[in-house]
Amino acid sequence: TQLLEQSPQFLSIQEGENLTVYCNSSSVFSSLQWYRQEPGEGPVLLVTVVTGGEVKKLKRLTFQFGDARKDSSLHITAAQPGDTGLYLCAPHLVNDYKLSFGAGTTVTVRA
Amino acid sequence: DAGVTQSPTHLIKTRGQHVTLRCSPISGHKSVSWYQQVLGQGPQFIFQYYEKEERGRGNFPDRFSARQFPNYSSELNVNALLLGDSALYLCASSLVVGVQETQYFGPGTRLLVL
Repeated sequence: TQLLEQSPQFLSIQEGENLTVYCNSSSVFSSLQWYRQEPGEGPVLLVTVVTGGEVKKLKRLTFQFGDARKDSSLHITAAQPGDTGLYLCAPHLVNDYKLSFGAGTTVTVRA
Repeated sequence: DAGVTQSPTHLIKTRGQHVTLRCSPISGHKSVSWYQQVLGQGPQFIFQYYEKEERGRGNFPDRFSARQFPNYSSELNVNALLLGDSALYLCASSLVVGVQETQYFGPGTRLLVL
């Protein structure tokens, strides 16, 4: 069975600091999506990465897909309190169209 | 434009009871998926429906069932509720079914089983 790990589980930083969260698996992904979920709401899609080695930027957020398509990272530069939330990675496994979510990283950015 | 809507927003039930949760997808979306998210975890896949047919099922007992209606809305039913069924139930819709297909989530229904 595929094991999907997100790390760290919790992250608390001061406004203006940088942070990186990781998503790792022993399985190869056909694509991977990152979501952010705020309390009381459903997850909101941030980005989809498809190609091994791909890097995508969304303002202060940088997403990277590993060369072997088994891992991904999300880096936030100069974090702001509005970045607070649960960050979830959700890969599509090869030949499987359903999403499999990691446990998520809870990020708290203190003002 | 209305996003994915779910009802009710909150629900309290007792063990052994039955519950029905409802979801209306984004207009034009033909696929609906259901997820269970327990506190501190990511969403776990329960079902996916496309064009009123079940296209996938996660590792959940037969107490969980769902259906999709001709207007593409969907219901999730859970029988013989257990304390462990307490969770946030999320519905997501997408245009079609496929890899890389973007799923849009509703706000969820928070179920508490006492």
